[in-house]
Amino acid sequence: KAGVTQTPRYLIKTRGQQVTLSCSPISGHRSVSWYQQTPGQGLQFLFEYFSETQRNKGNFPGRFSGRQFSNSRSEMNVSTLELGDSALYLCASSWGQGKNIQYFGAGTRLSVL
Amino acid sequence: GNSVTQMEGPVTLSEEAFLTINCTYTATGYPSLFWYVQYPGEGLQLLLKATKADDKGSNKGFEATYRKETTSFHLEKGSVQVSDSAVYFCALDLEYGNKLVFGAGTILRVKS
Repeated sequence: KAGVTQTPRYLIKTRGQQVTLSCSPISGHRSVSWYQQTPGQGLQFLFEYFSETQRNKGNFPGRFSGRQFSNSRSEMNVSTLELGDSALYLCASSWGQGKNIQYFGAGTRLSVL
Repeated sequence: GNSVTQMEGPVTLSEEAFLTINCTYTATGYPSLFWYVQYPGEGLQLLLKATKADDKGSNKGFEATYRKETTSFHLEKGSVQVSDSAVYFCALDLEYGNKLVFGAGTILRVKS
């Protein structure tokens, strides 16, 4: 069974640009969560989607958005990039709702110059 | 609010030494507790979990017991190997789920 796949693995952007990251969950998983990992703030929850609906959202500005498609694949978008958005973005998938094991992808490393 | 506190690292041990990484939590409700491990350049891998008080999670020689009275979930291993060198994260997830709250992570370095 294939794991969680994130693309691309690395991205370099400049301030003011926007970026879209992609996540393909494990087959059969309906929930996708996104996390940001930085040296200063650690791992922080961005949002979670289940059956195409955003169920939970972390404390991030509106520049961070996401969506989920009918096949459970998810994308997150960051508009008007800032230097502080440089981070490892991790996607995790799980089967259902509540207290499920989340399986993580390898992440997308975003560098904003 | 909900939070997880881990002991600061890095923790440096010799091979075959005993490992303890402390983790305490604050949560409203009854969380599930997890330990994840991150190797360089990779995402997070689930190491073990416990879903209720007094549960013991175990995997690959690592163990942790859910202690509700002390709100703790300390990670232990009897004999570490060089290959255990990684960053270890303690995390909790509440009933409405799929929103992990992580500790800051503890770097473990094992010397041969």
